[in-house]
Amino acid sequence: NAGVMQNPRHLVRRRGQEARLRCSPMKGHSHVYWYRQLPEEGLKFMVYLQKENIIDESGMPKERFSAEFPKEGPSILRIQQVVRGDSAAYFCASSPPGHRETQYFGPGTRLLVL
Amino acid sequence: QQQVKQSPQSLIVQKGGISIINCAYENTAFDYFPWYQQFPGKGPALLIAIRPDVSEKKEGRFTISFNKSAKQFSLHIMDSQPGDSATYFCAASKGGSQGNLIFGKGTKLSVKP
Repeated sequence: NAGVMQNPRHLVRRRGQEARLRCSPMKGHSHVYWYRQLPEEGLKFMVYLQKENIIDESGMPKERFSAEFPKEGPSILRIQQVVRGDSAAYFCASSPPGHRETQYFGPGTRLLVL
Repeated sequence: QQQVKQSPQSLIVQKGGISIINCAYENTAFDYFPWYQQFPGKGPALLIAIRPDVSEKKEGRFTISFNKSAKQFSLHIMDSQPGDSATYFCAASKGGSQGNLIFGKGTKLSVKP
């Protein structure tokens, strides 16, 4: 059973470009969470999604950030017009039905904005 | 406001010793307390977790102690090994429609041979 998959593992963007981060949850998992980790910091919750629904986006910046989890395909975290402050590691986690809090993390995408 | 406070920030332990990391929380609505281990360049890996209805949970060399009245919980790593050197994060979660984890800032553990 493959774990949570994320790609790309590393992403370099120039200021003003768009970043698209993908996450495929573990097989059978219906909940997806996105977290951001700044250097030497803990993880900060961004958004919680189920298939075709955003359940909680209270941790998402109000502008430039969006997330989706379509019926088919991976979950996508999209950052428009990136700025240097967006440089961080972005982690996706998934959890099985009925156990939202038991979250398994992917390897992360390290975004560097030049 | 930091909802989960973790200490120490860093810890050095000799091989074979006991590593102890502490966390404190404010919100009594939290009902799930996991610990994660993270190696450089990797994602956090779930180690062990506890709910408030028990005071201790042990899995191999890892033990969580939970003190509900003090709103504190700790991770004990017995017989610490150099391979345990990593950053450890405590977290907390509320039930209901959420489930998102609130993390402490992490403890960097170094186990010396």
